[in-house]
Amino acid sequence: QVQLQESGPGLVKPSETLSLTCTVSGASVNSGAYHWNWIRQSPGKGLEWIGYIYYSGTANYNVSLKSRVTMSVDTSNNKFSLKLSSVTAADTASYYCARVRVGGYHFDYWGQGILVTVSS
Amino acid sequence: SYELTQPLSVSVALGQTARITCGGDNIGSKNVHWYQQRPGQAPVLVIYRDNNRPSGIPERFSGSNSGIRATLTISRAQAGDEADYFCQVWDRNSYVFGPGTKVTVL
Repeated sequence: QVQLQESGPGLVKPSETLSLTCTVSGASVNSGAYHWNWIRQSPGKGLEWIGYIYYSGTANYNVSLKSRVTMSVDTSNNKFSLKLSSVTAADTASYYCARVRVGGYHFDYWGQGILVTVSS
Repeated sequence: SYELTQPLSVSVALGQTARITCGGDNIGSKNVHWYQQRPGQAPVLVIYRDNNRPSGIPERFSGSNSGIRATLTISRAQAGDEADYFCQVWDRNSYVFGPGTKVTVL
């Protein structure tokens, strides 16, 4: 059974860097069969795709966030991570990690999400 | 950038049929996927590639995509179907979500 679990600080100060990790079980991040994604949802709002990372380290980011986003993959520990720099209150959201099978173009497994608040 | 449109809300009587539409430029040429998000929970895939149900999703959920809109149909609506529903496509190297439709079961 595939499971994804987000972890990280729930509170980040403005101008600092938000850092989250997604731990995967039941599937390997070292597999070439999947893209590993981050998606966020501002309170009461819709879903916004942030980007994905591939096992090789190749990444693809949403152009609207590209200048502030860095993703990485830790194949030894079956995890992948998100860093979002220079955060503002507009980055307050629930952050989800999710899996896409290469060629599928849909998110088949999601983490439960983690709420990150940007506030001083 | 590509934009998807959805009605803000849809109401359906218990046991009746709800239809949620998703519009976009030439959407008939794209694969459309649908997610259900109950309050306080993560989204769940209910339809992929226009009209395919993942394992565990009831047959009451179906999808279609033709012309200028894609449609998610919920037959014999139940109280547990009350949720937000989002459509999603892949366009020019990016994932795009619709704004979501809140389904209320009366």
